[in-house]
Amino acid sequence: TAGITQAPTSQILAAGRSMTLRCTQDMRHNAMYWYRQDLGLGLRLIHYSNTAGTTGKGEVPDGYSVSRANTDDFPLTLASAVPSQTSVYFCASSSGGDNNEQFFGPGTRLTVL
Amino acid sequence: GQNIDQPTEMTATEGAIVQINCTYQTSGFNGLFWYQQHAGEAPTFLSYNVLDGLEEKGRFSSFLSRSKGYSYLLLKELQMKDSASYLCAAMDSNYQLIWGAGTKLIIKP
Repeated sequence: TAGITQAPTSQILAAGRSMTLRCTQDMRHNAMYWYRQDLGLGLRLIHYSNTAGTTGKGEVPDGYSVSRANTDDFPLTLASAVPSQTSVYFCASSSGGDNNEQFFGPGTRLTVL
Repeated sequence: GQNIDQPTEMTATEGAIVQINCTYQTSGFNGLFWYQQHAGEAPTFLSYNVLDGLEEKGRFSSFLSRSKGYSYLLLKELQMKDSASYLCAAMDSNYQLIWGAGTKLIIKP
């Protein structure tokens, strides 16, 4: 079982360029999340989606956009990358409800120069 | 505001016991999670507490006191493979997880 996958594994991007980080889950989970993880800081929520067709802003949404056209896919787009967006990005999913255990993808390491 | 506090780093000896503490302040509360994260890997789920008390799962146990806004993760019979970061996360009233920065646990032989 694949669970949750992310692509690419890593990327070096020039400042000002756009990029889409891909995330796909095969667990039929309703909720999906995008986090960034920076050294010394906890995981910070960028955007989330409680169900297909809906999205919401997390703690640090500026500079990022998402879409949720179907249950399985939740891409994250950087319209014009800046060096402060250098981070490790994790996608996660959960079935929702009271026990909101989140399952994480392997992460994308992004460097913006 | 919402806040999670846990120690930055701890060191313990193989075969020993270690307790990692976490205090939380959130807008509403719907449970406390512990995750393990090995270097360069994704976080993986360890435990979930929503009621006061101790939940035991093999060598790992997790405790919650809602009145004190406090939880701990207890690891027994430490093994070298337990060297990792341990992340505490509290679920707020919107069912979103608020994450601590993680505790890096170093196990020495």
